[in-house]
Amino acid sequence: SAVISQKPSRDICQRGTSLTIQCQVDSQVTMMFWYRQQPGQSLTLIATANQGSEATYESGFVIDKFPISRPNLTFSTLTVSNMSPEDSSIYLCSVEPPDGHNEQFFGPGTRLTVL
Amino acid sequence: GQQLNQSPQSMFIQEGEDVSMNCTSSSIFNTWLWYKQDPGEGPVLLIALYKAGELTSNGRLTAQFGITRKDSFLNISASIPSDVGIYFCAGPGISGGSNYKLTFGKGTLLTVNP
Repeated sequence: SAVISQKPSRDICQRGTSLTIQCQVDSQVTMMFWYRQQPGQSLTLIATANQGSEATYESGFVIDKFPISRPNLTFSTLTVSNMSPEDSSIYLCSVEPPDGHNEQFFGPGTRLTVL
Repeated sequence: GQQLNQSPQSMFIQEGEDVSMNCTSSSIFNTWLWYKQDPGEGPVLLIALYKAGELTSNGRLTAQFGITRKDSFLNISASIPSDVGIYFCAGPGISGGSNYKLTFGKGTLLTVNP
């Protein structure tokens, strides 16, 4: 497994602003993922972030709204841009360890409330 | 795309009772994963299944990978109050998707009355 931390753990933001969420892993991993979990819902994959290449976004998510950085094998950021109340969710990063078999390990999440 | 149907949506049980929940898929899965999410936390991996027919235990938890590769169940025996949470099934499919993208079920909310 891997130990994953996220910052901030929670935030309350104003409409129209942007928030950058950080994800730090205690070991080097190739595959990192960002998910959104809307209130009372399941997890939805936003994008896959691989070091050294552009993030791959899922249908319904675009780079302008959710820019992602992956500067090295232990760190990634997700920015939620030009926020609206509909962006209020928990944002989770996850990793697949190099020796894994498709299992992913999750960070504690960032609870975002947009007013 | 792939869809996972997870049931039941919620369960209210008494402490000490056994619990069973299941997931079915519209397509074949090559891995089944079961997660638990506590309030305010990220999902924690409970059990991973890799082969059709595989039956795996983790303490009071038992999960099986269905023979058809389109279903899985999770059993919790002798439930305790700390079993409260949301349980998710998940898996990367084979058809129609890459082998690392997880699809999640909608979750089963478990409440245990002491």
